Order: sequence, then C-alpha cells, then structure tokens
Amino acid sequence: QVTLKESGPVLVKPTETLTLTCTVSGFSLTNTRIGVTWVRLPPGKALEWLAHIFSNDEKSYAPSLKNRLTISRDTSRSQVVLTVTDMDPVDTATYFCARMPAGHLDYWGQGALVTVSS
Amino acid sequence: SYVLTQPPSVSVAPGQTARISCGGDNIGGQGVHWYLQRPGQAPLLVVYDVSHRPSGIPERFSGSNSGNTATLTISRVEAGDEAVYYCQMWESESDHVVFGGGTKLTVL
Repeated sequence: QVTLKESGPVLVKPTETLTLTCTVSGFSLTNTRIGVTWVRLPPGKALEWLAHIFSNDEKSYAPSLKNRLTISRDTSRSQVVLTVTDMDPVDTATYFCARMPAGHLDYWGQGALVTVSS
Repeated sequence: SYVLTQPPSVSVAPGQTARISCGGDNIGGQGVHWYLQRPGQAPLLVVYDVSHRPSGIPERFSGSNSGNTATLTISRVEAGDEAVYYCQMWESESDHVVFGGGTKLTVL
C-alpha cells in the first residue's frame, strides 16, 4: 500500500526557513522512473508546483521559486525533504507531496497547512 | 514556460454532461492528466495520459486531447462531482510540472 505523509511546523515567522518532510511507504525512492514532487495550495488560489526529485537524485525546481527551494532525500528513512528559505505571508499554503510514476501524480499525502505570521 | 489555460468555472445540472477544457500550445501531442480537489482534501487523480482512468474512478470520467485543447468529460454528473478540477502535464524540455489554473465545477 502506497502512502505519503507530510510533516513539519504549522506556524513559521517571516524570514524563517521552512523544512517539510515527506515520509513514504509502499515504494522505494530509488525505484527507476518514480519520483516525488512537492505542490502547494495557497488559500483561495490554484495548485502550484514547487519541486521534483527523480529516482536518480536529480532535482527540478519551479523557476519562480528556484532560488528559495531545496529538495533532497534520505533513502534510508524513505523521506523527501523540502526547504523553503525566507518565508513570507504569501507562502501560507497547504503543502502536499505526491508520487510521480510517469508524468502524473498518482498518490498524494494528506497535506500540511503552513501559516506564515509573526 | 508552458502555460495551461482553464475556464474558472463550469456549471451543469445533475444528470447532464460537464466538459472542462485545458488549453495549451500543441497540447494535442502531450500527455495530459486531470485531478479533482474537494475542499480540505488532497487532489485525486481521475484521468492520466489523456484518457486512462485509475482504479476506482468511474467510467463517467473520460478525457480527450486534440490540437490546442484537452478536455475532461464527466457524464451523468452527480452532486458529489462538485470540486475544483486541474489539468497537468510534464514539460519534458525543462523537466517541470505544469498545472492549469483550475476549474470549479458547480452542480446546480
């Protein structure tokens, strides 16, 4: 059974760095052709892709946020980590991780709501 | 980067057919995927690679893709289909994920 679960702080202050962890089960992060993506949903807005990590550990980032994002993985813990630097209230959103086997996102985590406020 | 354009809203009466479009330059040759998202829930994949349904998704959901428009068709619409629908594709030239802006489906 494939599952993904996001964890991290509920509240961060402006200018702080956000670190979110996606713990996966039911598949291997080194499985060829399977990657993990991070997506966020700001209140009242649309889904926004953030970053992707491939099975070979290569990474890809959304151009508009590239300078603030880092995606990494710990295969021994089956975890994918996303860091977002210099958080701002506009970064308030529900953050999701999802599995991507072949261009589409077939399994999603439940999401983690992160609020940015002083 | 590649842009996917969706109408903000679509309304349909129960039992009728809803069609949600997703426009993009030469999208007809691309793999397009569709998700529904209900409030407070994670997105749910309903169609992938243009016209394939994941296990558990009713046959009422179907997809097509031609020219500059991909379309998600929902037949015999039910109240439970009310959600925001997103199209998505993988932009292979840049290795980026692209989402459309979402379409809110209202069941009248």
